[in-house]
Amino acid sequence: DSGVTQTPKHLITATGQRVTLRCSPRSGDLSVYWYQQSLDQGLQFLIQYYNGEERAKGNILERFSAQQFPDLHSELNLSSLELGDSALYFCASVSSSNEQFFGPGTRLTVL
Amino acid sequence: KNEVEQSPQNLTAQEGEFITINCSYSVGISALHWLQQHPGGGIVSLFMLSSGKKKHGRLIATINIQEKHSSLHITASHPRDSAVYICAVRLLLTSGSRLTFGEGTQLTVNP
Repeated sequence: DSGVTQTPKHLITATGQRVTLRCSPRSGDLSVYWYQQSLDQGLQFLIQYYNGEERAKGNILERFSAQQFPDLHSELNLSSLELGDSALYFCASVSSSNEQFFGPGTRLTVL
Repeated sequence: KNEVEQSPQNLTAQEGEFITINCSYSVGISALHWLQQHPGGGIVSLFMLSSGKKKHGRLIATINIQEKHSSLHITASHPRDSAVYICAVRLLLTSGSRLTFGEGTQLTVNP
């Protein structure tokens, strides 16, 4: 158990819909990273938050957004969903020594 | 060309065999991670390296910064080692601890 929680585990939705994925980092970690793992693109960095502030953006679509709340949990919002958004979405909590602890992931299926 | 290349893509071994997975990268890095992903999808961090060699149980990871190359070795392999092994790097030119990933090596160990 990494100490990072993600909900829900599975999500099935239709094209055009909007979903919210949630992540709680390990106790004491201030950083949250979101990654997407799709069959054709592999694992890719989406976005990073540190203590409530956005720090870095990767290959994140404009239809996607994220935020980190004062209690340090983070939410990734995906809107106007397309079939190609089907993927595993991971968040990772990063310690002060830069070790990454991955959550169990949310498997999103867009039908 | 990907910044992180792994070989082989697929590897099948018999129980007890010594296994080596290779990772090459083309840019400056501050650290390299080896990750394990089981069929259920969860990702576990095995090692974080910036130089030399680390050992944990039957797993050994080495890195040669000058040659931009890392290897993951598994001694006395076991069917429970069957998983995807992913090499990931933290690039020198990026802020924070975001990772750039290789495509992974699918390892199958037969009894």
